[in-house]
Formats: sequence, structure tokens, C-alpha cells
Amino acid sequence: QSALTQPASVSGSPGQSITISCTGTSSDVGGYNYVSWYQQHPGKAPKLMIYEVNNRPSWVSNRFSGSKSGNTASLTISGLQAEDEADYYCSSYATYSPGYVFGTGTKVTVL
Amino acid sequence: EVQLVQSGAEVRKPGESLKISCKGSGYDFSSTYWIGWVRQMPGKGLEWMGIIYPGDSNTRYSPSFQGHVTISADKSISTTYLQWTSLEASDTAMYYCARVPGISPRRNFDYWGQGTLVTVSS
Repeated sequence: QSALTQPASVSGSPGQSITISCTGTSSDVGGYNYVSWYQQHPGKAPKLMIYEVNNRPSWVSNRFSGSKSGNTASLTISGLQAEDEADYYCSSYATYSPGYVFGTGTKVTVL
Repeated sequence: EVQLVQSGAEVRKPGESLKISCKGSGYDFSSTYWIGWVRQMPGKGLEWMGIIYPGDSNTRYSPSFQGHVTISADKSISTTYLQWTSLEASDTAMYYCARVPGISPRRNFDYWGQGTLVTVSS
């Protein structure tokens, strides 16, 4: 039951789009549409950004979108802004857990 | 407004016991919502520890934490707990509680507590 694999860091300039990948297996990401994404600023609690692969809570900007293909889920941030600089974690329901597994985390830097 | 308010920071010595809490408000605490616990060690990522349904105290644990912690709930006061009987230095971390909607624990963590910092040091 290893963590889902994310790139350690992703960067982009203001206004650009970036995509963060989250790779698992058929027992987690690939097997269920229960993939979610969380944003965490330093010293703060995580915040839900995307749920069930591609749904946004009411408090999240439409600049954030999610998708999934096979065992890999993705989070795309469009129109990158300084406030988007944070750590991002994916999570999925996992049959082997039995419950949840988180990704390794990605640090997003706005250049 | 949905809120999860956690108890304050704790400092303990190795071998000591500890119980931290998470109090929910602004929603029906004992119906169709689970409460999960997540560990974040210093400078590290998020780890799922376990989850409880306060309505009937149905509890599930990550294999990585089974036997080392106990999750419980008192629905009469809308509070869940995370407990250790014998702390280790490696338990030093921030601990978050978070709500999961639904009758089975598969969906997202939609609301999070502010976190409780636990420091274990001799």
C-alpha cells in the first residue's frame, strides 16, 4: 500500500497552465472515481479542491480542474496566480487500505 | 457553517499516553458523515490513519496504524478522539481530523480541522 506517485515539484509563470499527475494502480485511482485533490499552504490545514475526479466544491475557482485516464489522475491549474503557490496532494479510495491513500505531494511554485 | 475544532498542542514523553479530540458543529454529526484522521510528520506528506462513523462507532484503520492508535467517538457531544497508550518519538507530527460525506467511507475529505501538533520528546 504505497503512496500514489506525484512529481515532487511543478512550476509555472503567472497566467500559465500547469498539470500535476497522480499515478496509482487499478486497486485505487484506476478502479474508482473517488479521486480528490487538496491544496495546503505552509502552516495551514489541507483544503479540498477537487472531488470525485472532476468536481469542484463551491469555494474553488473554475481555474482548477481534474481528470483521470486509466491509473493516472491529473489536476490542472489554469491562469496560474501567486496565491496558487502551495503543496498539492491527491487522494483515492483504495481497496487494500482499506480506506484511503494519499499521493506523495507536489510543490507548486509560481515563478 | 461546518466546523471541526481540534484540541490544542500537546507535549509528552515517550511511553506516555495521550488523547486528542475533534469537535464537529454546523451539521448532523452522527448521520451520513464519517470523521477521518490524517498524520503529517514534520516536512512530510499526508498519511491516512483511520476513520470512524460517529453514529455507530464503526471504525476502520490503515494497516500502518492498526494497533498503535485508537479512534473513538462520543456522538452525544459531537466529538471524535485519537488516542495513544504509549507514545514514541516517531509520533511527533501534526494530526488532522477531516469529514467524509456518505454512508460508506469512500469519498473525499470535505472539511478539515485546524490540526493538533503532538510533540513527543524526552
